[in-house]
Amino acid sequence: EAGVTQFPSHSVIEKGQTVTLRCDPISGHDNLYWYRRVMGKEIKFLLHFVKESKQDESGMPNNRFLAERTGGTYSTLKVQPAELEDSGVYFCASSHNRGHNSPLHFGNGTRLTVT
Amino acid sequence: DAKTTQPPSMDCAEGRAANLPCNHSTISGNEYVYWYRQIHSQGPQYIIHGLKNNETNEMASLIITEDRKSSTLILPHATLRDTAVYYCIVRAGLNTNAGKSTFGDGTTLTVKP
Repeated sequence: EAGVTQFPSHSVIEKGQTVTLRCDPISGHDNLYWYRRVMGKEIKFLLHFVKESKQDESGMPNNRFLAERTGGTYSTLKVQPAELEDSGVYFCASSHNRGHNSPLHFGNGTRLTVT
Repeated sequence: DAKTTQPPSMDCAEGRAANLPCNHSTISGNEYVYWYRQIHSQGPQYIIHGLKNNETNEMASLIITEDRKSSTLILPHATLRDTAVYYCIVRAGLNTNAGKSTFGDGTTLTVKP
């Protein structure tokens, strides 16, 4: 089966611009998660979709970040306007269900650099 | 979620067993221990998880102490490709958001020839 794919792999934008990251989960996985690692910090949870519904967005840093998952398939994470502190690696993960027997499958991330 | 403590780094000789410890002294009864690893420039990769019994799969073994306050991930025959950052995470299972995890700093395992 194809794994979780993320696009683009790298993005360099200027402060104030907008960037949209995309994640395609494993087919059939209802649960989709976004994480990020900013410079020198831990990988931290951002939000969780179950199908097209936001189940938990407690990790979203502020209202410059908007995640969507229309139709319950792929998801996008838009940062508008981007700030310098948004630089980091953004990971997407998916799982079949939310319980303990459904481990997370991660994509290789999008490295975002805001200059 | 219970906090975990891992050594920042470890070395292991190629072909030998790598034993990576994790302390989770505040773990509660419904929390599982998960292990992931991240190889440079890739996303985290699931390795194994368990509640209280020891677990084994094709990648590794997980040994959980009887009081569940610590665990050890064992890579039985480490190869150079096992060089990675290994994360121990404690997460409640059963109808909870098992994906809401903070990964901590992990242990950087370096396998040497």
